[in-house]
Amino acid sequence: SQKIEQNSEALNIQEGKTATLTCNYTNYSPAYLQWYRQDPGRGPVFLLLIRENEKEKRKERLKVTFDTTLKQSLFHITASQPADSATYLCALDINQGGKLIFGQGTELSVKP
Amino acid sequence: GAVVSQHPSRVICKSGTSVKIECRSLDFQATTMFWYRQFPKQSLMLMATSNEGSKATYEQGVEKDKFLINHASLTLSTLTVTSAHPEDSSFYICSARSLAGGSSYNEQFFGPGTRLTVL
Repeated sequence: SQKIEQNSEALNIQEGKTATLTCNYTNYSPAYLQWYRQDPGRGPVFLLLIRENEKEKRKERLKVTFDTTLKQSLFHITASQPADSATYLCALDINQGGKLIFGQGTELSVKP
Repeated sequence: GAVVSQHPSRVICKSGTSVKIECRSLDFQATTMFWYRQFPKQSLMLMATSNEGSKATYEQGVEKDKFLINHASLTLSTLTVTSAHPEDSSFYICSARSLAGGSSYNEQFFGPGTRLTVL
């Protein structure tokens, strides 16, 4: 069966440390993988998109890697801040037409 | 970035009534809009894909007669929950995909969501 799994429902880290979130998938061959941030009671906010032929993408304190052999993406937030506390969702574009399949999300809490 | 709005942000209704939710792209034209549903502590589940001027494509298990979608213009899509029941209570989120590609290829912009509570 097809599925997307993100690591542990909750991740607690200390301010200033690097947060690493994992997204694993099976039985998909996505051309694109995306990461979103979602705050409670709000819609997701787009963070980064990585294509299947890209290994790594960076944007300010964010870094995403994409390993299509392992079927895994890692999402890193360096120098984390309490304001980074939110739920982070990975999403696969499975038909290149914008149809996104989301993981269940990882709730990140950054303590001061 | 592009802005997508939803109205209303919250709605409470009685069982058996119908509720309409609007999704608007405010500063761009969207050929495609998507409707998602999210239950507490769960991820977004795609309900349907809506293309301007054509019928929506529903995901497996989503009743098209219960969740009516209209995408009459490049900036507006509506979702009507007909004969709502308590189990339809959820957080409904729309997204819009820009008409233009460029560096934002495949990027979707999400609305803030609508919290529906059916009593």
